[in-house]
Amino acid sequence: DTAVSQTPKYLVTQMGNDKSIKCEQNLGHDTMYWYKQDSKKFLKIMFSYNNKELIINETVPNRFSPKSPDKAHLNLHINSLELGDSAVYFCASSQDWINYGYTFGSGTRLTVV
Amino acid sequence: RKEVEQDPGPFNVPEGATVAFNCTYSNSASQSFFWYRQDCRKEPKLLMSVYSSGNEDGRFTAQLNRASQYISLLIRDSKLSDSATYLCVVIVFMRFGAGTRLTVKP
Repeated sequence: DTAVSQTPKYLVTQMGNDKSIKCEQNLGHDTMYWYKQDSKKFLKIMFSYNNKELIINETVPNRFSPKSPDKAHLNLHINSLELGDSAVYFCASSQDWINYGYTFGSGTRLTVV
Repeated sequence: RKEVEQDPGPFNVPEGATVAFNCTYSNSASQSFFWYRQDCRKEPKLLMSVYSSGNEDGRFTAQLNRASQYISLLIRDSKLSDSATYLCVVIVFMRFGAGTRLTVKP
């Protein structure tokens, strides 16, 4: 059983489209995250939810909206996609947000053309 | 100054060599520290936590130096399978405001 699963694995779409990436964890963790890894391989935190409540919202454009229907799911919706959004997006979860390491999903490679 | 800084490398070493990586952090309130490993086109995976007293896991040793604000990872007897990108992770406490005093008078 995959601990943190995200779909789709690959996403190619045109500029201006709206797309969603889904993430689910079956570890019973309280905290989930979205990270963006750009072409320079730098992993940057975007959002963090703890028990469905938003606790970290870095300076991410409003076009990105996370949604957590329950603590096992954290989806990412992106409106009006831009070329600069092309990256690998990783979902992760942890037992709590201070003391435990993260378990990452396998990533979603988004290419905007 | 970046919150977390590491030498991007690449470090090219022969099998059997000992190699060390450092990572510096800027926030003295940082509480938790980890080393992750990321293989090409894969997700990061937790390698080890870093404890104040230093900790070892087989050929891997992690150290934390709070005074100088850096963590290190030492790999002894390098194997071909150690080839990957090593990421340091630093987690900071929540920050509190100074507080607002409320006095309710009769």
